[in-house]
Amino acid sequence: GDSVTQTEGQVALSEEDFLTIHCNYSASGYPTLFWYVQYPGEGPQLLFRASRDKEKGSSRGFEATYDKGTTSFHLRKASVQESDSAVYYCALRDYGNEKITFGAGTKLTIKP
Amino acid sequence: DPKIIQKPKYLVAVTGSEKILICEQYLGHNAMYWYRQSAKKPLEFMFSYSYQKLMDNQTASSRFQPQSSKKNHLDLQITALKPDDSATYFCASSQDWGGAGGQLYFGEGSKLTVL
Repeated sequence: GDSVTQTEGQVALSEEDFLTIHCNYSASGYPTLFWYVQYPGEGPQLLFRASRDKEKGSSRGFEATYDKGTTSFHLRKASVQESDSAVYYCALRDYGNEKITFGAGTKLTIKP
Repeated sequence: DPKIIQKPKYLVAVTGSEKILICEQYLGHNAMYWYRQSAKKPLEFMFSYSYQKLMDNQTASSRFQPQSSKKNHLDLQITALKPDDSATYFCASSQDWGGAGGQLYFGEGSKLTVL
């Protein structure tokens, strides 16, 4: 079945640091890839998505590029802020399947 | 204003009892879902519905029963509660079922604690 692997369970950075959260996926078809963000006490919300190989998704300074060759969709941000502290989920949905499969999530903590 | 309303936000139940989690969405979407979030499995798909029809069920236990009285309602009945059922249950919706491009919108969750 489909699966998403996020290698970092927790990341702690200082403001203005560079962020990378790694995401690799396994799917039988050609999935759409997502990054969701979840703030405390809220449900996850979409950060951005990408549907094709080499497509870059971006929002609020975060970006990720769909790489079919390495089956990856790594999240990056050049300069993080304290307000970016949240849990980030990489996810995928394969065509014809409304089930979105989420990774385990990465808790990002930014120290002021 | 929240577009997906989940009630109650918090609930405590005793082992063996039954609870119903309520979900209503006001986004005009045709597909609705339940996900469960716990320490063991961060975001786990449970059910999907489209136009009030069950499309996918990934929940092994029949103790979990979704109920859809209207297109914008998808409640979740849980019977014979166990401590392992303790989790936050998220309702979500999307414009349509099927196709890889759709986006999920989540409610704020109902946090269930089973003693």
